[in-house]
Amino acid sequence: QLLLVESGGGVVQPGGSLRLSCAASGFVFNTYAMQWVRQAPGKGLEWLAVISSGGTDQYYADPVKGRFTISRDNSKNTLFLQLNSLRSDDTAVYYCARSYDLWSGYFFPWGQGTLVSVSS
Amino acid sequence: EIVLTQSPPLLSVSPGERATLSCRASQSVSTNLAWYQQKPGQAPRLLIYGASTRATGIPARFSGSGSGTEYTLTISSLQSEDFAVYYCQEYDNWPPWSSFGPGTILEIK
Repeated sequence: QLLLVESGGGVVQPGGSLRLSCAASGFVFNTYAMQWVRQAPGKGLEWLAVISSGGTDQYYADPVKGRFTISRDNSKNTLFLQLNSLRSDDTAVYYCARSYDLWSGYFFPWGQGTLVSVSS
Repeated sequence: EIVLTQSPPLLSVSPGERATLSCRASQSVSTNLAWYQQKPGQAPRLLIYGASTRATGIPARFSGSGSGTEYTLTISSLQSEDFAVYYCQEYDNWPPWSSFGPGTILEIK
């Protein structure tokens, strides 16, 4: 069974940091690109970042470039997202997702999401 | 930057009827388009990729079509579990660029 489980969300003050994790199981983790997508309350989906299967290539959406860092530990089948300099508009549910086919631009499966709330 | 527009924003359809959802891109995405379904409190689920290929396990009542800038998701006979929000996503410049449409809410009439 393909499974992604996020953790690490919570309430943080503006300017603060969080580290999200995504534990993967049911597939060969080190052969697939992985990404993070977020959804602000009541809003649509926003792609944030992608990392290649080996971890050597990372790309970011403009709103998070320079503040967020995507990484992975293939020995532990885990994906990470380091969130720094958080702002109120970063409040969202953060999903990790696997590329459907190795490096494809469409995503399956998705995790259940972890909520990040940025508030003073 | 490619911008996706979905119409209508809200679609009311009776169970058993057909639903047709549209997605328009600001420039051609060359069938590099996917559709997702999201139910309240759940993660999105991939339905269609490559504009018309059903993802693994997706029922045949879901079909996708289109080319260039105009795409359609059709649900042939609505079941109760199909009422949800539907998003299109383009990945024409992947990697790494991708964007999602604003979504269409499909509600029970």
